[in-house]
Amino acid sequence: NAGVTQTPKFQVLKTGQSMTLQCAQDMNHEYMSWYRQDPGMGLRLIHYSVGAGITDQGEVPNGYNVSRSTTEDFPLRLLSAAPSQTSVYFCASSYWGETEAFFGQGTRLTVV
Amino acid sequence: AQSVTQLGSHVSVSEGALVLLRCNYSSSVPPYLFWYVQYPNQGLQLLLKYTSAATLVKGINGFEAEFKKSETSFHLTKPSAHMSDAAEYFCAVSDRRGGSNYKLTFGKGTLLTVNP
Repeated sequence: NAGVTQTPKFQVLKTGQSMTLQCAQDMNHEYMSWYRQDPGMGLRLIHYSVGAGITDQGEVPNGYNVSRSTTEDFPLRLLSAAPSQTSVYFCASSYWGETEAFFGQGTRLTVV
Repeated sequence: AQSVTQLGSHVSVSEGALVLLRCNYSSSVPPYLFWYVQYPNQGLQLLLKYTSAATLVKGINGFEAEFKKSETSFHLTKPSAHMSDAAEYFCAVSDRRGGSNYKLTFGKGTLLTVNP
């Protein structure tokens, strides 16, 4: 079982560059989410999706775009990277209901 | 809006000692509650969850937590710490309405250090 797979694991970007963080799950989960983790801040929700074609903003959505064309994939796009987006990004997926979310291994992004 | 407060950003215990990590939540309705563990350079792994059954919840690796509605708390405990327990622990809450487990609100985390 692959679970939730994130690529790349590490990335360095220059300010102003764009990139896409990939997230794929093979558990047929309806729900997928993106979080960022910063020291002393815990994890904060960026965007989420309750199914293919449906996305919505979380707590810290500015500077990020998402789309959900398939159940399996939920990419996160940085349109114009800024140093404030230096963080560790986690993708998660879950079923509807009282079950827990399953997390990927994370992508460590540095913007210089 | 929901919120989670973890008291103590860093807790240090000796091997074999009791582990107590504190979590208080704020929610307008009884929430779902979770404890996750993160080992260095890893993702998050679920330790245990409270979803409305027994208030004392047992999880993996000998951890347990008790939901106390009157105190809005969900503290994590383990009777005897092991070196392998050293990690960062996160308490999280989700709104049980509509099964919104995709919208977790996390505490800021508690780093547990276990001394030999």
